[in-house]
Amino acid sequence: EIVLTQSPGTLSLSPGERATLSCRASQSVNTNYLAWYQQKPGQTPRLLISGASSRATGIPDRFSGSGSGTDFTLTISRLEPEDFAVYYCQKHGSFPYTFGQGTKLEIK
Amino acid sequence: EVQLVESGGGLVQPGGSLRLSCAASGFSFTSYSLNWMRQAPGKGLEWISYISRGGETTYYADSVKGRFTISRDNAKNSLFLQMDSLRGEDTAVYYCDHAGTWGQGTLVTVSS
Repeated sequence: EIVLTQSPGTLSLSPGERATLSCRASQSVNTNYLAWYQQKPGQTPRLLISGASSRATGIPDRFSGSGSGTDFTLTISRLEPEDFAVYYCQKHGSFPYTFGQGTKLEIK
Repeated sequence: EVQLVESGGGLVQPGGSLRLSCAASGFSFTSYSLNWMRQAPGKGLEWISYISRGGETTYYADSVKGRFTISRDNAKNSLFLQMDSLRGEDTAVYYCDHAGTWGQGTLVTVSS
């Protein structure tokens, strides 16, 4: 089973700042099968990025994904108030699918 | 617009059973595999089961293998999860997933 480890656990930033979230895999992950989700309190997770770097429909271009192999990054270029949430990376394509434990992005 | 509507959750005693349903619309149901995910209260996300387009291939997380059964009715655009031998650690919101789009979820509480 591929384990995904996200860091940091909590990230405290201010609106307008740049956020960099990391997802490290215990084994190499096919970039086609690495996704990022955003979840706000009381809401369903929302797909942000698929294929490591492709934004899902309707996702603003301040969100970008990058990486390959075992190291992946979600970057939010300029934080908006609505971006403060929990972010999860996910590996799919082969079983079992796995999620990272999440990074909480909070307002500083 | 893709819509996924889960139902069937509720309170059940340990050892009991529940059957969850997911009604799908807005996409060609028979063209896609589907998944069930869950999230325990205050915890992270967990994939629990996959079913292929025709239903002939299924996979399960170790945490539910042998207790849960995924199925689908392509004629009714519906996905199911039969949950048996339920445990306290199965308490969670259960979501169906189509290509990264999740429903609103249904809460399953396992408690005596």
